[in-house]
Amino acid sequence: GAVVSQHPSWVICKSGTSVKIECRSLDFQATTMFWYRQFPKQSLMLMATSNEGSKATYEQGVEKDKFLINHASLTLSTLTVTSAHPEDSSFYICSARDTGSWGAFFGQGTRLTVV
Amino acid sequence: EDQVTQSPEALRLQEGESSSLNCSYTVSGLRGLFWYRQDPGKGPEFLFTLYSAGEEKEKERLKATLTKKESFLHITAPKPEDSATYLCAVQARAKDSSYKLIFGSGTRLLVRP
Repeated sequence: GAVVSQHPSWVICKSGTSVKIECRSLDFQATTMFWYRQFPKQSLMLMATSNEGSKATYEQGVEKDKFLINHASLTLSTLTVTSAHPEDSSFYICSARDTGSWGAFFGQGTRLTVV
Repeated sequence: EDQVTQSPEALRLQEGESSSLNCSYTVSGLRGLFWYRQDPGKGPEFLFTLYSAGEEKEKERLKATLTKKESFLHITAPKPEDSATYLCAVQARAKDSSYKLIFGSGTRLLVRP
């Protein structure tokens, strides 16, 4: 299956700082990438959908100025959590869709802890 | 409103004790139902995609089936390594007219030796 690499796998940052998470499709071109957030023992909640070269579409209730998404190439999307606060601590997961198919493949996830 | 409901929330089985996980859904125009396995602290691992009622797919001890209203993930003679959270998702239309996945809350499966 297609491989999606997410980095870092975990990060601890101080409150007020910004954190960038990368999501790469390693062996296919991803026209669309998705960013999810997952709280303990809960399912994945879609935060935003990004298409290469255009602005991301955010789900209702997700602050686009706080969660900056960039999808500058067909193999890379980034999520930047700006001015992070402890309530932003969560597990963030990206997924990528291969052009012409509907298989959605997921990265390994990033555990963000804001102290 | 598009919705996915999984049951049970948690399931404990003895090794070798077969069972089924349920995923019921309401979506306007199903374009695919997906099953994923998720281990703690990891991203979901793709298992199956089903597109139409009556379709079945198998992989090792797992078999997924689909009707017009629900999907089942049958686990035959499970082993402890099958312990994980199993997620069901349906493909729905997003705001920008592309498609997105809507996930159920998952079933946490524990298989005891």
